Amino acid sequence: DGGITQSPKYLFRKEGQNVTLSCEQNLNHDAMYWYRQDPGQGLRLIYYSQIVNDFQKGDIAEGYSVSREKKESFPLTVTSAQKNPTAFYLCASKRQGSTNEKLFFGSGTQLSVL
Amino acid sequence: KQEVTQIPAALSVPEGENLVLNCSFTDSAIYNLQWFRQDPGKGLTSLLLIQSSQREQTSGRLNASLDKSSGRSTLYIAASQPGDSATYLCAVANTNAGKSTFGDGTTLTVKP
Repeated sequence: DGGITQSPKYLFRKEGQNVTLSCEQNLNHDAMYWYRQDPGQGLRLIYYSQIVNDFQKGDIAEGYSVSREKKESFPLTVTSAQKNPTAFYLCASKRQGSTNEKLFFGSGTQLSVL
Repeated sequence: KQEVTQIPAALSVPEGENLVLNCSFTDSAIYNLQWFRQDPGKGLTSLLLIQSSQREQTSGRLNASLDKSSGRSTLYIAASQPGDSATYLCAVANTNAGKSTFGDGTTLTVKP
């Protein structure tokens, strides 16, 4: 089955630690996105990438980093500079080229601070 | 900067009722608008996508409309069921690059 796989489902971070969230897609989509969701709120864009080896900052990029070395993979690192990392992180992807292309999501990673 | 608002934040209805969820946006130069469903602790499931050139889309008991001139979209759910209980989010894309902007969602509870 085609889809987006996020791992792990739950992740705990100690103070001063960097952690990496995995996102893999086998949909052959060009664009990939990372969103953050806080309780009772909508999604806010962290980073996005439209092509391999290129990515752009979203609205809340501070304290996060990404890489796009392969089309199917877009890992997100939450660095120690992110002082309030507790949130639900969602990875998404879509094909580009027409107004009819839907955004697809993974099942999310819940990050908590120990 | 695009801003998306969904009102009400929460809605409770008895089973079988027809209902409308609202989504407003400030920049009418949209690429498309997508409605999603989210169950607690889960990812988002796409329900309907309306392209900028379209006025509405239908899927089963769901109908979504788009009025760019007024900056509004509605999601109509017919004959609601307890299984429809979830949070519904709308997302507006302004370019092909996607930077979709999301509303905060409406949490729907359908009581048996």
